[in-house]
Amino acid sequence: EVQLLESGGGLVQPGGSLRLSCAASEFTFDNYVMSWVRQAPGKGLEWVSTISGSGSGTYYADSVKGRFTISRDNSKNTLYMQMNSLRAEDTAVYYCARGDYTFDWWGQGTLVAVSS
Amino acid sequence: EIVMTQSPATLSVSPGERATLSCRASQSINSNLAWYQQKPGQAPRLLIYGASTRATGIPARFSGSGSGTEFTLTISSLQSEDFAVYYCQHFRSFGQGTKVEIK
Repeated sequence: EVQLLESGGGLVQPGGSLRLSCAASEFTFDNYVMSWVRQAPGKGLEWVSTISGSGSGTYYADSVKGRFTISRDNSKNTLYMQMNSLRAEDTAVYYCARGDYTFDWWGQGTLVAVSS
Repeated sequence: EIVMTQSPATLSVSPGERATLSCRASQSINSNLAWYQQKPGQAPRLLIYGASTRATGIPARFSGSGSGTEFTLTISSLQSEDFAVYYCQHFRSFGQGTKVEIK
């Protein structure tokens, strides 16, 4: 069965940085587009970013453009999200998900809390 | 940008009854719609894609219908494990969710 395991979340001060990772297994990682989706406490789902299978194409929500960078290492079957200039409104559980038009598998999520 | 709007926000249903959830797109999206179920403390799970195709392992009591701008998720006979929040999604846009709670 497909597995996606996020890590790297935590408490960070406003203006700080974090790097999230998502380790993938049980599927051919570089064949798939991958995405990050977040969920603020008590709120709905918000698409954040998507990367093509090769890594050559990247896409961002306006709310994070210029601050977040998605990347992947296909040799390590791992997806990343570098998050800079973090704001309080970035506080959320961050999920990695397989796909783009449809998210067919999701990780368990990692909590990012931005607070002083 | 296409906006997805779900209704109602909360649906109170007794176990064994039918639940009907609605999702509307601000413009036509053909059949490019997915539904997800999310239970407290868990990640979302894909239920339906292409508006009406059940994902692998999803029970037959879940069905999706619609095309264009109007879509429906029907749960034919609610089981205890079905009480959750349901989201519709088109491409990178999610609806705000419908919470299905026990009546």
